[in-house]
Amino acid sequence: DVQLVESGGGLKSPGGSLKLSCVASGFTFEHYAMTWVRQAPGKGLEWVAVISGTGGSAYYADSVKGRFLISRDNSQSLVYLQMESLKAEDSAVYYCAKDSTPRGYSYGYEFDYWGQGVLVIVSS
Amino acid sequence: DIQMTQSPSSLSASVGDTVTLSCRASESISTYLNWYQHKPGKAPNLLIYDAATLQSGVPSRFSGSRSRRDFTLTISNLQPEDFATYYCQQSYTTPLSFGGGTRIEIK
Repeated sequence: DVQLVESGGGLKSPGGSLKLSCVASGFTFEHYAMTWVRQAPGKGLEWVAVISGTGGSAYYADSVKGRFLISRDNSQSLVYLQMESLKAEDSAVYYCAKDSTPRGYSYGYEFDYWGQGVLVIVSS
Repeated sequence: DIQMTQSPSSLSASVGDTVTLSCRASESISTYLNWYQHKPGKAPNLLIYDAATLQSGVPSRFSGSRSRRDFTLTISNLQPEDFATYYCQQSYTTPLSFGGGTRIEIK
């Protein structure tokens, strides 16, 4: 069975840094793009970033570009989200999710498996 | 960037009803439109991809359609487990984007 488990959340002060991890199992990890999506308290889903299966391509939401970095370690089936210069508005539950299809292009993503999410709170 | 607008933001319905949720893209996205169901404290669940293709394991009472930039998710014979928030998401181009969601509440 496919499983995605996020970790690394917690309470951070504004301006601080945090690195989220998501460990995957149950599928050939390096074949699939992976994404991070977040949900702030009382708000809807917001896409954050996506990385290709090889790790050679990554794309970001405008709200996090230049502050967040998505990366992956295919040898350990891990995807990361390094978050810098944290703001209060980055407070959210962060989900990692798996693309449904091996693809070599940056469109058509469909996220068929999701983790349970990890909470990030940015507050002084 | 492509904006996705969902309507209504919420609706009340009864078990057995048929409900129609709408999603409009700010520009053409072809059929690169997915629908997700999200319940509090749970992981989102992919229902429909490519605007109208039912994800494996999803009940057939869920269906999707497209007319140009307008997309519709229809839930027939609403079941108790269907009360949740539904999001559309475009995958035509990055940055990817979700609609604001439609919450279905029990009448």
